[in-house]
Amino acid sequence: AQKITQTQPGMFVQEKEAVTLDCTYDTSDQSYGLFWYKQPSSGEMIFLIYQGSYDEQNATEGRYSLNFQKARKSANLVISASQLGDSAMYFCAYRDDKIIFGKGTRLHILP
Amino acid sequence: AAGVIQSPRHLIKEKRETATLKCYPIPRHDTVYWYQQGPGQDPQFLISFYEKMQSDKGSIPDRFSAQQFSDYHSELNMSSLELGDSALYFCASSSAGGMFSGNTIYFGEGSWLTVV
Repeated sequence: AQKITQTQPGMFVQEKEAVTLDCTYDTSDQSYGLFWYKQPSSGEMIFLIYQGSYDEQNATEGRYSLNFQKARKSANLVISASQLGDSAMYFCAYRDDKIIFGKGTRLHILP
Repeated sequence: AAGVIQSPRHLIKEKRETATLKCYPIPRHDTVYWYQQGPGQDPQFLISFYEKMQSDKGSIPDRFSAQQFSDYHSELNMSSLELGDSALYFCASSSAGGMFSGNTIYFGEGSWLTVV
């Protein structure tokens, strides 16, 4: 079974700094997708970025980029120039025919 | 752009009562997923539907049932509610039948269920 590991339960980062949230996954599949979602305290699950296993380039969406290292089975999320509004829970997720979530990392941005 | 719509947003029920949550997927999405997220937990997959047929089943209790209707909206029915059912329930939708593709799974804002 696929497994997602997020080793950072919580992180504190100074505003305007870049932050990297770690994610590793375990799979024997050749074709799969990896996602990052943001969950603020209000509860909604917000899609941030997607990386397909066959994508040759790392995905980027505005301030978000995904550092995809397929051989190492890692898919770290990089947030550039962090903002106070980035404070939230962040979930890495693996997709086969459904999404399987990691345990999440709670990110706190400090003013 | 239209998103996944869930109702109600908040629901308070007593033990042993029944609750029904509704989900309206993004237009032209044919697949619906239900997730349960307990306090401080990651979301757990319950069940999914593709073209109105159940496509996958996760850790859904026998007291729960769900279906997808002809207009693609879905309902999650929960009976004999227990205190442990208190959680945030997400519905999500995607296109292309849930098969692997670049199609993203989009989540609704969730329905908060409190059982007292």
